[in-house]
Amino acid sequence: AQSVAQPEDQVNVAEGNPLTVKCTYSVSGNPYLFWYVQYPNRGLQFLLKYITGDNLVKGSYGFEAEFNKSQTSFHLKKPSALVSDSALYFCAVRAPGAGSGAGSYQLTFGKGTKLSVIP
Amino acid sequence: NAGVTQTPKFQVLKTGQSMTLQCAQDMNHEYMSWYRQDPGMGLRLIHYSVGAGITDQGEVPNGYNVSRSTTEDFPLRLLSAAPSQTSVYFCASSHDYNEQFFGPGTRLTVL
Repeated sequence: AQSVAQPEDQVNVAEGNPLTVKCTYSVSGNPYLFWYVQYPNRGLQFLLKYITGDNLVKGSYGFEAEFNKSQTSFHLKKPSALVSDSALYFCAVRAPGAGSGAGSYQLTFGKGTKLSVIP
Repeated sequence: NAGVTQTPKFQVLKTGQSMTLQCAQDMNHEYMSWYRQDPGMGLRLIHYSVGAGITDQGEVPNGYNVSRSTTEDFPLRLLSAAPSQTSVYFCASSHDYNEQFFGPGTRLTVL
């Protein structure tokens, strides 16, 4: 079974400082990895994904994430945090090659990390 | 292009009542899914579908039914509502194994 861990329930960072939100995963086969952001009382918005290719992927709003296969990690980063980045962030994984049939489509989410950027 | 739409936005039910949460997408995505979001639990998959006529159970399917008669629509039925089903429900869709697009959610309270 696939799983995702976000070890920090909350991350606090000062505005202008770099931010990192951590994610590790466990799957059979090659992972498809995603980051989503959720603002209060809203649905989830897609930020970026890793499927294949360069380990450093760039996404929306200046965010990027680094895929590290040996550490099974996919940490979300931004060089300079903004107050408007304050939100709930979710990491998610799919493993298309892991199973057969419909089950291989399943997307498993971490429990989320609340990011607070302090002015 | 409306994306993924969900109705209603809010709903209050009494224990034992039934209802259907509606979800529709206009992107011709084959994969659709329903999640519930509870504090500290992240998103948990209830049911999903990989095409019209094909559905399967996710992590927390008990008390919920789904059907997929068209590519566009994927309704979620609560058979006999219980307070434990108080949650925020999200519908999502995707093409192949790519990123999912989420609806705005339905906030359900069961008294």
